[in-house]
Amino acid sequence: ETGVTQTPRHLVMGMTNKKSLKCEQHLGHNAMYWYKQSAKKPLELMFVYSLEERVENNSVPSRFSPECPNSSHLFLHLHTLQPEDSALYLCASSQVPVEAGGPQETQYFGPGTRLLVL
Amino acid sequence: QKEVEQDPGPLSVPEGAIVSLNCTYSNSAFQYFMWYRQYSRKGPELLMYTYSSGNKEDGRFTAQVDKSSKYISLFIRDSQPSDSATYLCAMMPYTGGGNKLTFGTGTQLKVEL
Repeated sequence: ETGVTQTPRHLVMGMTNKKSLKCEQHLGHNAMYWYKQSAKKPLELMFVYSLEERVENNSVPSRFSPECPNSSHLFLHLHTLQPEDSALYLCASSQVPVEAGGPQETQYFGPGTRLLVL
Repeated sequence: QKEVEQDPGPLSVPEGAIVSLNCTYSNSAFQYFMWYRQYSRKGPELLMYTYSSGNKEDGRFTAQVDKSSKYISLFIRDSQPSDSATYLCAMMPYTGGGNKLTFGTGTQLKVEL
């Protein structure tokens, strides 16, 4: 496997279900991200893990719960979702500078999980 | 005002045309500028990555940055039907912020035979 992989690619769930999305990066990066992409809207950053610590949570409802057990793996646990949560969920990774003031690097994305909440 | 403005299109052009895609931005701290291509139902794929002002060319693609006008462009020469996709511009400052990108909404491009 190369790059950033995500499973499952498609998911249909009811509002009372619990499911998890998985992301794995094979790039040796030290930061991982979850995004939500809805039609006609810019990518919405949900969570950021840098050096395995959560550094950002952009007012995301608690029905979304991230987990980052190590620098290569990222999960998004879902429970009691709403129909408006239906979207493409994208995972990305990058190499953040370890020392303050270092130049930034861009992000590489996985193929996404298309989620439909009924 | 949004930090990054991008015309959502759709933009429809004939095969072989030169395509110009653009974004404007308001944050003068942005120093890195990227273009991602996203095919339907797929994740964004990095196409071009530039630092500061100037031009960068890669095959049929040219990225142009004009920091004085806060304006970036992507040109596609000899466009092909396989170029039909949504093109997202993204940008970030030189340092700090944990590599956080600010995206445009994306421009949908269709190249017709």
